[in-house]
Amino acid sequence: DTAVSQTPKYLVTQMGNDKSIKCEQNLGHDTMYWYKQDSKKFLKIMFSYNNKELIINETVPNRFSPKSPDKAHLNLHINSLELGDSAVYFCASSPRQLNTGELFFGEGSRLTVL
Amino acid sequence: AQSVTQLGSHVSVSEGALVLLRCNYSSSVPPYLFWYVQYPNQGLQLLLKYTTGATLVKGINGFEAEFKKSETSFHLTKPSAHMSDAAEYFCAVSAPTGGFKTIFGAGTRLFVKA
Repeated sequence: DTAVSQTPKYLVTQMGNDKSIKCEQNLGHDTMYWYKQDSKKFLKIMFSYNNKELIINETVPNRFSPKSPDKAHLNLHINSLELGDSAVYFCASSPRQLNTGELFFGEGSRLTVL
Repeated sequence: AQSVTQLGSHVSVSEGALVLLRCNYSSSVPPYLFWYVQYPNQGLQLLLKYTTGATLVKGINGFEAEFKKSETSFHLTKPSAHMSDAAEYFCAVSAPTGGFKTIFGAGTRLFVKA
């Protein structure tokens, strides 16, 4: 039973399109994140939600909009896709009670913008 | 603010040889430190973590790391490399003042030669 699951795993689309990636965790964690991993494997935090409330919002273009309908789900919607958005997007979760920042990752969603 | 520097983007060792992956951190408060491993086309998996207490921490797959405050280091070691250790390794730091925003190093690719 997958702990942090993301869909879709692969996404190929044209520039200018809008796409969404969904994430669900069944670990009972309070905090969820989106990270972006570029072609050089560099991981950069984008957003974090704690129990549906946005707590971290890095300098990400407005075209990226996260949504957390409940504490087990965190979705990422991207408008007007650009070539530079091609990357692997990782969802992660963290139990608040641990208070260490330890992360549990999904398998990633590879987005390719043509 | 926290930051992480991993020395060496690529490390190559022979099977059975010592593995040493270097990580230095910067943090204005006592940090929490992590090593994660990423196998091809997979998400990140926690290898080990230092939060408080014993400065030598043991993780999965025979890896260990030592927190050295005076050197601001958290190097990862394994006495004897196995072919299955070939992967990307990430050092990471988080701290309460950053809202537990976990910051990752650039990663070190470990190659294991037969």
